[in-house]
Amino acid sequence: DAGVIQSPRHEVTEMGQEVTLRCKPISGHDYLFWYRQTMMRGLELLIYFNNNVPIDDSGMPEDRFSAKMPNASFSTLKIQPSEPRDSAVYFCASSFWESETQYFGPGTRLLVL
Amino acid sequence: EDKVVQSPLSLVVHEGDTVTLNCSYEVTNFRSLLWYKQEKKAPTFLFMLTSSGIEKKSGRLSSILDKKELSSILNITATQTGDSAIYLCAVGTNSGAGSYQLTFGKGTKLSVIP
Repeated sequence: DAGVIQSPRHEVTEMGQEVTLRCKPISGHDYLFWYRQTMMRGLELLIYFNNNVPIDDSGMPEDRFSAKMPNASFSTLKIQPSEPRDSAVYFCASSFWESETQYFGPGTRLLVL
Repeated sequence: EDKVVQSPLSLVVHEGDTVTLNCSYEVTNFRSLLWYKQEKKAPTFLFMLTSSGIEKKSGRLSSILDKKELSSILNITATQTGDSAIYLCAVGTNSGAGSYQLTFGKGTKLSVIP
């Protein structure tokens, strides 16, 4: 199994630009999670999906953040417009319905200048 | 608000030492406690604990949950330089929608020096 796949691995952009992060979960996993990790705040859950449906987005920091999961094998996290404080590593993770072990992707390191 | 606190925040030991990492939590609808190891990349899963008092072991690593004390410890014996990493504790809870989510602690940074 290829594991959770994320792209891009690194993104450098300027303040005000739109950023789109992509995730392909492990095949057969029903849950998909988006996390953000910074030195100051640690790992934070932003939003998660169950069977492509958003369940809890209370961790999404602002309206500038949005996430979609159009099908079982693809999800996006979009930031529009981006700000320097959005700089972080964004992880996507997936898990089975009956298992709580979440398998993380390699992350996208985002730098907003 | 669910809270997970890890201690110490950082730890430096010599190869061969035994270390104990702590995790305490205050959450509603507890379901499980998980430990992850994070080196310079994504977290990797170590253990999931759901029952109090039952130790889980994997090689030199072991962990146990105490639901009465709302805490867990992760032990690493005969540490090696390859154990240097950030160890994350996360607590899984049942959300209102019938699904679950994880709340992470800030982690313990372990440095093992030769």
